[in-house]
Amino acid sequence: GAGVSQSPSNKVTEKGKDVELRCDPISGHTALYWYRQSLGQGLEFLIYFQGNSAPDKSGLPSDRFSAERTGGSVSTLTIQRTQQEDSAVYLCASSLRSRDPSTDTQYFGPGTRLTVL
Amino acid sequence: GESVGLHLPTLSVQEGDNSIINCAYSNSASDYFIWYKQESGKGPQFIIDIRSNMDKRQGQRVTVLLNKTVKHLSLQIAATQPGDSAVYFCAEWGGGGSNYKLTFGKGTLLTVNP
Repeated sequence: GAGVSQSPSNKVTEKGKDVELRCDPISGHTALYWYRQSLGQGLEFLIYFQGNSAPDKSGLPSDRFSAERTGGSVSTLTIQRTQQEDSAVYLCASSLRSRDPSTDTQYFGPGTRLTVL
Repeated sequence: GESVGLHLPTLSVQEGDNSIINCAYSNSASDYFIWYKQESGKGPQFIIDIRSNMDKRQGQRVTVLLNKTVKHLSLQIAATQPGDSAVYFCAEWGGGGSNYKLTFGKGTLLTVNP
């Protein structure tokens, strides 16, 4: 594809429900990132995938959050038992190989706006 | 700049004026910096970057200045156009050992009045 795509673009759910957010990175990019952007806040790192290596999950805020990347391409971020404080824009990015942005630029998708009622 | 609560700092300029957006970063060991532009409903877009061994870098209509002494970055946009209206934020790449990470600022909302 031409860029990073994410779906859905908007998701409204009720507190306590589970949600799945999808990211399709740029073809050939081995590095994939999930970020959370809350109102008036900077991007918050959630998780990083690189090829077949174990993901860096250090940014996941609780065990209700998980992510997987199947076949080294598409990734799904799952939030279980959603809470109102989970409301935010969830952004996915991909880069060619390296996590170092001075080497490989991160390209962002348009995000999924999650609203938990 | 820093934001207070949920509100982003805002900058309102007239079309054709020059804009200056500021950012204070936190890690004196950061060695690479990026400015992003984020239009409403879109993901962040890379604008320009600068390494810590430089104090100025110019692109097309944009200039980034780095002052490591006071840990300050600025983005200058020349002849600002309505299409420049967006949230602009900086990011720093730094850390120690294997703990490098990309840290993002909260952003400034630029509004360009025609």
